[in-house]
Amino acid sequence: QLQLQESGPGLVKPSETLSLTCTVSGDSISSGSYYCGWIRQPPGKGLEWIGSIYYSGSTYYNPSLKSRVTMSVDPSKNQFSLKLNSVTAVDTAVYYCAKTPDYHYYMDVWGTGTTVTVSS
Amino acid sequence: EIVLTQSPGTLSLSPGERATLSCRASQSVSSSYLAWYQQKPGQAPRLLIYGASSRATGIPDRFSGSGSGTDLTLTISRLEPEDFAVYYCQQYGSSSWTFGQGTKVEIK
Repeated sequence: QLQLQESGPGLVKPSETLSLTCTVSGDSISSGSYYCGWIRQPPGKGLEWIGSIYYSGSTYYNPSLKSRVTMSVDPSKNQFSLKLNSVTAVDTAVYYCAKTPDYHYYMDVWGTGTTVTVSS
Repeated sequence: EIVLTQSPGTLSLSPGERATLSCRASQSVSSSYLAWYQQKPGQAPRLLIYGASSRATGIPDRFSGSGSGTDLTLTISRLEPEDFAVYYCQQYGSSSWTFGQGTKVEIK
């Protein structure tokens, strides 16, 4: 059974780069056909799609975050990565990765989420 | 960008009652691109409905989705204690995914 797990620093300083990893278990990224989406949720607020990356490396970003976001995939480590630069306090949130099956448009497997706080 | 507006913001109901949640899109969306999620405090969202009306694996049949175009509905036929949570609709279009702001279903 495919599982996703986010990891990364829980505290990032303003103006620095937030870097997170989503590790896939139970399947090989190279053998699957799916997207990894990154979604965040500020404290007490709703869900915001950050972007999605196909297993082959094609990327799709939220226009409102596009200038600060970079996503990548490392099949050798079975990992997807998210980088968000020039962070401010408004980037404080729980960050989730989630799988979207190929040819579909929903997110059927989610990681448990990781909390990132932007503060000096 | 397609904006999803969910109503009401909060729904106060008793166990056993019927819940009807609405999601309105700012422009028409293909049914194939619409989904609903449930989120409980401290947990990740869980997929309930995809393709506007298909239940995800393991989702009880008291959950149903309907609608097309710009108006979607999630119905919970009889609320169980574990159904009190926040529900989000989601759409895909033009290589972007967006979520509604959520409806909280709380115990009356």
